[in-house]
Amino acid sequence: NAGVTQTPKFQVLKTGQSMTLQCAQDMNHNSMYWYRQDPGMGLRLIYYSASEGTTDKGEVPNGYNVSRLNKREFSLRLESAAPSQTSVYFCASSALDRLIYGYTFGSGTRLTVV
Amino acid sequence: GENVEQHPSTLSVQEGDSAVIKCTYSDSASNYFPWYKQELGKRPQLIIDIRSNVGEKKDQRIAVTLNKTAKHFSLHITETQPEDSAVYFCAASNSGAGSYQLTFGKGTKLSVIP
Repeated sequence: NAGVTQTPKFQVLKTGQSMTLQCAQDMNHNSMYWYRQDPGMGLRLIYYSASEGTTDKGEVPNGYNVSRLNKREFSLRLESAAPSQTSVYFCASSALDRLIYGYTFGSGTRLTVV
Repeated sequence: GENVEQHPSTLSVQEGDSAVIKCTYSDSASNYFPWYKQELGKRPQLIIDIRSNVGEKKDQRIAVTLNKTAKHFSLHITETQPEDSAVYFCAASNSGAGSYQLTFGKGTKLSVIP
């Protein structure tokens, strides 16, 4: 039982390059999320998917797109990377059951855009 | 949307002393308040949570209190140990929206001095 798996763990991009961050969970969770973490800013929601087939913008969606490929997988795409997107990205998942609210986070992707 | 303020941003305590971190939230509909601990270079991990129908919850050396009227909640760590050193995040969520988006505070860096 791996929980939430993110790939890659580290990435360096040049300005203007594109890339996709991958996230998969094996806990049969309905909801998945992408957050970015910057020093002094806490965790800010980029996009989320309440259930398979739906996606919605969070607090900081500009410059990103997402795909909920199936119940297990939720990817985050940077079409044209900018230095302002240098950050640590965390994927998370949660059950939809009202009794179970906690998030399980992946181990993070440290992205540097030069 | 929800706004979560967290104080202090840094906190240093002597080993064995207590530590208190406070958060306020803006959305009176929020009903779930988790706390996450993040060690350096690691993922955030849930340490305790409280729901709006409960005023206080304890788990060994950790306790959380909630004042719905004032819209604030606090994390209390007693008998602090060096391994408690980490960044702590509070969060708030309204589970009635069909998804469990968490809005996070900006974090408190706790240092426990041996």
